[in-house]
Amino acid sequence: GENVEQHPSTLSVQEGDSAVIKCTYSDSASNYFPWYKQELGKGPQLIIDIRSNVGEKKDQRIAVTLNKTAKHFSLHITETQPEDSAVYFCAATYNNNDMRFGAGTRLTVKP
Amino acid sequence: EAGVTQFPSHSVIEKGQTVTLRCDPISGHDNLYWYRRVMGKEIKFLLHFVKESKQDESGMPNNRFLAERTGGTYSTLKVQPAELEDSGVYFCASSPWGQGARETQYFGPGTRLLVL
Repeated sequence: GENVEQHPSTLSVQEGDSAVIKCTYSDSASNYFPWYKQELGKGPQLIIDIRSNVGEKKDQRIAVTLNKTAKHFSLHITETQPEDSAVYFCAATYNNNDMRFGAGTRLTVKP
Repeated sequence: EAGVTQFPSHSVIEKGQTVTLRCDPISGHDNLYWYRRVMGKEIKFLLHFVKESKQDESGMPNNRFLAERTGGTYSTLKVQPAELEDSGVYFCASSPWGQGARETQYFGPGTRLLVL
């Protein structure tokens, strides 16, 4: 089945620095790659997604890049703020119908 | 518009007991998913409903887990009898009818289950 690997598991950055989280997937048919942010006590919330027909997508301070040949995609957060602190999950479609998630990255932004 | 809701938010039970989790998806969403996250690990897929039908239940751990979605609205996930390894956070998500996982999934806040 689909396997999504996510690194690092924890990431600590200083406020204002950039943060990068990387994921790899195994199903070459995957074509949708969302990123979710989970804050304490809440469920995961979609923050950005990318489809396989584009290589990069940006929304203000967050961006996602996709390399279909290498089967990896990354989340980039620039000018990090304390409120960016959360657990981030990447995901990839599997079997054209369901989603598989990475293990999560706990991001801490130090003021 | 109300989001996905889950009940209870927390549940502490003893090994061997039964627990039933409930999920109310966003109104009109035909797709309903159950996931589980064991501490520090991935959000693992359990099953997927399209309306009242089970589209994919390949992630269900074993026959101690039973999910239903009678009438195609809310869903329940029953664990009977519960074991220690069933502890974790159970998430429900929903999405509108369309292309399955290629639609944005909206997650509920989760039910934190602890089996002692």
